Amino acid sequence: QITLKESGPTLVEPTQTLTLTCTFSGFSLTHSGVGVAWIRQPPGKALEWLALIYWDDDRRFSPSLKSRLTITKDTSKNQVVLTMTDMDPVDTATYFCARIKMAAEYFHQWGQGTLVTISP
Amino acid sequence: EIVMTQSPATLSVSPGERATLSCRASQNINNYLAWYQLKPGQAPRLLIYGASTRATDIPARFSGSGSGTEFTLTINSVQSEDLAVYYCQQYEGWPPTYTFGLGTKLEIK
Repeated sequence: QITLKESGPTLVEPTQTLTLTCTFSGFSLTHSGVGVAWIRQPPGKALEWLALIYWDDDRRFSPSLKSRLTITKDTSKNQVVLTMTDMDPVDTATYFCARIKMAAEYFHQWGQGTLVTISP
Repeated sequence: EIVMTQSPATLSVSPGERATLSCRASQNINNYLAWYQLKPGQAPRLLIYGASTRATDIPARFSGSGSGTEFTLTINSVQSEDLAVYYCQQYEGWPPTYTFGLGTKLEIK
């Protein structure tokens, strides 16, 4: 059974850096073709893809957010970490991580998400 | 950027009826389209990929169709548990750009 779970702070002050961790089980980021992506959903708004990392360290980012994002993986811990700098209240959202596969570039399984509020 | 437009924004259907949800792409995406179901407090669920292939363990009452720029998610014999927001997502191109529609909220009368 594949599971993913997001963790991190629920409240971040403006201009600070957000660090989120996705801990997963049921698959490995050492396996060819496997990747983990981050997607967010502001309250009442649409889903927005942020970034992804593949088993071979191939990284891709949303063009509009690329300058603020970093994504790394720790295969020994089955974790993927997303950092987003210079947070703003408009970044308030539920942040999801999801499993993706190369050549099947949709989001196969998702975590439940974690709500992050940006406020002083 | 490929823009995905979903309609209607809200759809109200009685149990047992059919629900038809539409998704339009701003340019040809072939069949690189997925549908997801989002319920509050739950992990989003992949329903359809490749425009028409049901994901694992998805009930047969969910079906997808379309190609190019026009796509449809059909839910036959809607059940109360289908109350959710449904999103389409395109993944065309290399590398893909992964854009979502704004969603259709399915209400059960």
